[in-house]
Amino acid sequence: AQKITQTQPGMFVQEKEAVTLDCTYDTSDPSYGLFWYKQPSSGEMIFLIYQGSYDQQNATEGRYSLNFQKARKSANLVISASQLGDSAMYFCAMREAGGTGAGSYQLTFGKGTKLSVIP
Amino acid sequence: EAGVVQSPRYKIIEKKQPVAFWCNPISGHNTLYWYLQNLGQGPELLIRYENEEAVDDSQLPKDRFSAERLKGVDSTLKIQPAELGDSAVYLCASSLGSGNTIYFGEGSWLTVV
Repeated sequence: AQKITQTQPGMFVQEKEAVTLDCTYDTSDPSYGLFWYKQPSSGEMIFLIYQGSYDQQNATEGRYSLNFQKARKSANLVISASQLGDSAMYFCAMREAGGTGAGSYQLTFGKGTKLSVIP
Repeated sequence: EAGVVQSPRYKIIEKKQPVAFWCNPISGHNTLYWYLQNLGQGPELLIRYENEEAVDDSQLPKDRFSAERLKGVDSTLKIQPAELGDSAVYLCASSLGSGNTIYFGEGSWLTVV
């Protein structure tokens, strides 16, 4: 079973509007972290936001917020006031504590969502 | 502060030739990762270092891939011989310990012809 599922291969949003990118995850580890990265066409993976499994509040970083619904195992990224520069691939990733040694703290990525911002 | 630096950014080689990628992590980051990203996919871990020690290389194809991190700072990933299926982006990343946020470089784009 896939650990990270991003069901939207592509999304369009009008400039200045908000957009939600979906991410669901699968883990039996009680301790885990969820990440969102942005990858523009240049190739660099840019860290956006982090949510820990024990965090009580949803994470926010500027225009990015994470809608964390633990019981549903979802961690959707919300981008407010979209800008043309937000056009990129967006990846959701999970890191499980997973004990020690090989395999622990491994970051597992979804397949990504391509976001296009329309002027 | 400089981010993760990788070189070369782009490389085109013929199959069966060797290729090497270099990575300089963020200063002070003791954990270094090499990820492979195929077109249209998310990155997949190849190897993780804690200082000089490779603590997770379970997904590194050891028949043709090798990596080293001498002195616990810079790292080199080598492929010998390269195959057509190795065409991908090789991403280096680093973090301040395994439990912290991972920061990526711009990647090395490999095309094998």
